Amino acid sequence: GAVVSQHPSWVICKSGTSVKIECRSLDFQATTMFWYRQFPKQSLMLMATSNEGSKATYEQGVEKDKFLINHASLTLSTLTVTSAHPEDSSFYICSARPMVNYEQYFGPGTRLTVT
Amino acid sequence: AQSVSQHNHHVILSEAASLELGCNYSYGGTVNLFWYVQYPGQHLQLLLKYFSGDPLVKGIKGFEAEFIKSKFSFNLRKPSVQWSDTAEYFCAVNGDDKIIFGKGTRLHILP
Repeated sequence: GAVVSQHPSWVICKSGTSVKIECRSLDFQATTMFWYRQFPKQSLMLMATSNEGSKATYEQGVEKDKFLINHASLTLSTLTVTSAHPEDSSFYICSARPMVNYEQYFGPGTRLTVT
Repeated sequence: AQSVSQHNHHVILSEAASLELGCNYSYGGTVNLFWYVQYPGQHLQLLLKYFSGDPLVKGIKGFEAEFIKSKFSFNLRKPSVQWSDTAEYFCAVNGDDKIIFGKGTRLHILP
């Protein structure tokens, strides 16, 4: 149980375009989802926390207008990278937390390459 | 605010050697602690976690960790490593209702 999926698993886009990444909790309801990014050979950096039905809370230094997060249902959160640039190329990982405990379950990640 | 520090950035061991990876956290309240592993090309997997109770926690693949509250530490141990343990290991803490990761330790096991 407690499976989190992400789609797509990898995406290549051109500079200036926007790309949407989906995060789904497959077998549980998640009131809270988290978005992280991981640069090559580095740790995961928390970008934002999203609660179902409310605005996301962004970590310091993360541009909320660039990284749009929507958590429209208890099983789906989306991250949209707007006007992507090559420096946005990274591995984006989501996690989801069930309503009943404080564990976070991580998705497999999405590799974004901006050309 | 919470923070996590991992002392060893890169560790190289021979097979059958014992392993201990250091992790210290900073947070004024009650914390939940985790160790995650990321094998080359794969996504994060949970090795073990501490929420409460026995401070010595046993996880998968023969790993264990000990929570020492007085030292704000949660070191990861394995008595005898295998080549397949080559991976990146992340210590993480949940204090402010979100999981924050340490910078990671890259473990390389020599066959």
